[in-house]
Amino acid sequence: GAGVSQSPRYKVAKRGQDVALRCDPISGHVSLFWYQQALGQGPEFLTYFQNEAQLDKSGLPSDRFFAERPEGSVSTLKIQRTQQEDSAVYLCASSPSGGAGYGYTFGSGTRLTVV
Amino acid sequence: AQSVTQPDIHITVSEGASLELRCNYSYGATPYLFWYVQSPGQGLQLLLKYFSGDTLVQGIKGFEAEFKRSQSSFNLRKPSVHWSDAAEYFCAVGPTLFGNEKLTFGTGTRLTIIP
Repeated sequence: GAGVSQSPRYKVAKRGQDVALRCDPISGHVSLFWYQQALGQGPEFLTYFQNEAQLDKSGLPSDRFFAERPEGSVSTLKIQRTQQEDSAVYLCASSPSGGAGYGYTFGSGTRLTVV
Repeated sequence: AQSVTQPDIHITVSEGASLELRCNYSYGATPYLFWYVQSPGQGLQLLLKYFSGDTLVQGIKGFEAEFKRSQSSFNLRKPSVHWSDAAEYFCAVGPTLFGNEKLTFGTGTRLTIIP
């Protein structure tokens, strides 16, 4: 597609429920990033893929968070046993190889609300 | 560790007036610097970026930014704002090392335009 597509746009989860957030990057983009944006804050880095390899997962806040990109295109961010503090907008971005140099293209995000 | 400070949480400007949004960064080397804009419910759109060379960078929508190494600043400017510029603006800093591509964002500045 022409842009980065994220689904669902909105997700309400009961505390303790598992959720899966999908990101469909721009076709051919090598690099894929996940960011978490809490209300009133800037995006914070979660994890980074180059093709199917997860090169940096230093931003994942706990072992309840897991991301994958098995075929080097679509990525899924999974959150197990959701907690209220997980409520945020989850942004996905993709870029050609050398992302920081090109700037990313962001999706519109998934707003997760944990109740 | 790299960091970005946007000292103004909220700025109100009259339509047609000039605008300057402040950004200060902390980074161990010459960084990549970015300004992004986020409209409500949307992802982030890249306005402009600085890598090297001319310290005055032109971007989309009539925005420009000036890199001042001595002040560790990268302020965003626009000579005459339009009502459509109302949004949240984020400054970000990135690494210059290929292979470590995450961006660090500031907390954002909300811009309100009054008629």
